[in-house]
Order: sequence, then C-alpha cells, then structure tokens
Amino acid sequence: EVRLVESGGGLVNPEGSLRLSCAGSGFTFSNAWMNWVRQAPGKGLEWVGRIKSKSDGGTIDYAAPVKGRFTMSRDDSKNTVYLQMSSLKTEDTGVYFCTTGGGKYGLDYWGQGTLVTVSS
Amino acid sequence: SYGLTQPPSVSVSPGQTASISCSGDKLGDQNACWYQQKPGQSPVMVIYQDTKRPSGIPERFSGSISGNTATLTISGTQATDEADYYCQAWDSSTVVFGGGTKLTVL
Repeated sequence: EVRLVESGGGLVNPEGSLRLSCAGSGFTFSNAWMNWVRQAPGKGLEWVGRIKSKSDGGTIDYAAPVKGRFTMSRDDSKNTVYLQMSSLKTEDTGVYFCTTGGGKYGLDYWGQGTLVTVSS
Repeated sequence: SYGLTQPPSVSVSPGQTASISCSGDKLGDQNACWYQQKPGQSPVMVIYQDTKRPSGIPERFSGSISGNTATLTISGTQATDEADYYCQAWDSSTVVFGGGTKLTVL
C-alpha cells in the first residue's frame, strides 16, 4: 500500500522559514516524481513544485508564486522529499499535500496534508 | 499565464448523469486529469490521460475530450459523489489546476 506522510507544518511569523517533510512507503521512492500541492483555507488546489527522479535528471520546477523562496529536495536513502520554505507570506497559509506522479499519468497518490499558518 | 476554466457549481439529482467541463487553450494537446475531494479529505485521482480510470475508481466515472474541452461524466450519480472536482493539466513543465467545481447531489 502506497503511503505518504507529511510533517513539519505549524505556525510561523511572516518572513519566517519552515521545512516540510514527506516520507513515502509502499513504492520505489527513488523512481518516483514527487510534488507539493497546497490549498488555502476554503480555496482550490495550487501546485507548488515538482522534483523528478534522479534517473530522469532530478529536475525541479516551481510555481511562479514560490520561485526563489521555496526549495525542494529529496533524500532517496530516507524515502523522503522536503520543501524548504523561506520569506513566508500570509498568502502561503494552507494545507500542503505531498503527491507522487506527474506528466501524463497525473498525481496518483496524495498524503493527508500538513497545515502551515503564516501569521503574526 | 495558462488557465483552466471550470463551472463553479453543478447540481444533479440522484441517479442522473452529471457533467463537469474544463476548458483551456491547449488542453487538446495535453493530458487532462480529474480529482475528487470530499470535505476534510485529500484529493483522489478519478481520471488520467483524458479518459483512463485508475484501479478502484467506479465505472460510473468517465472522461472525454473534445477540442480544448475535457469533460468528467458521472453516470448514475450517488449521494457519495457529492464533492469538489478539479481538472489538471501540464503546461511547460508546470502543473495547472482548474478552479474546481462543487458537485451537489440533491
């Protein structure tokens, strides 16, 4: 069974930093493309970024609103993907989901999400 | 920037067919996916590559594409299908979501 477990969310001041983690199990993590998707309270889904597998070049792409502030990375030895968030803004508040997949096969598995609240 | 347009809401009676559209300038050349999200839950993919259904998704869910409009169809809609539905596609290595459609079964 595929399982994705996010952690690291919490309350942070504007301009602060936070690191989210997502641990995967039940699949070959090193072969997987991993994404972060967020959802502001009462709003729709917004893609944050994606990191490809190392065998596919390990390319990282970000959505425009987070480019230059957020950094994705992965540690295949720990089956974990990270999202380092810096210079946080109030509009970054929301639930952050970790997902597998990408391209034509879609975002096939999702974690339960972790809540990030940016507020003073 | 590239956008996908969905109707904010769709209503359907139990047992009837619900159709949710998603339009985008380049959608006909991409691979549309659809996700179902119930309140307080994570999204679940119900359609990928325009028309394919992941294992475990009921046959009443189907997808189609015509020109630059993708459509999610739910046949014999059940009360448990009441949820938010999002379409998704790729644009220049980035993921784009539609704004979401709230499906009400009444």
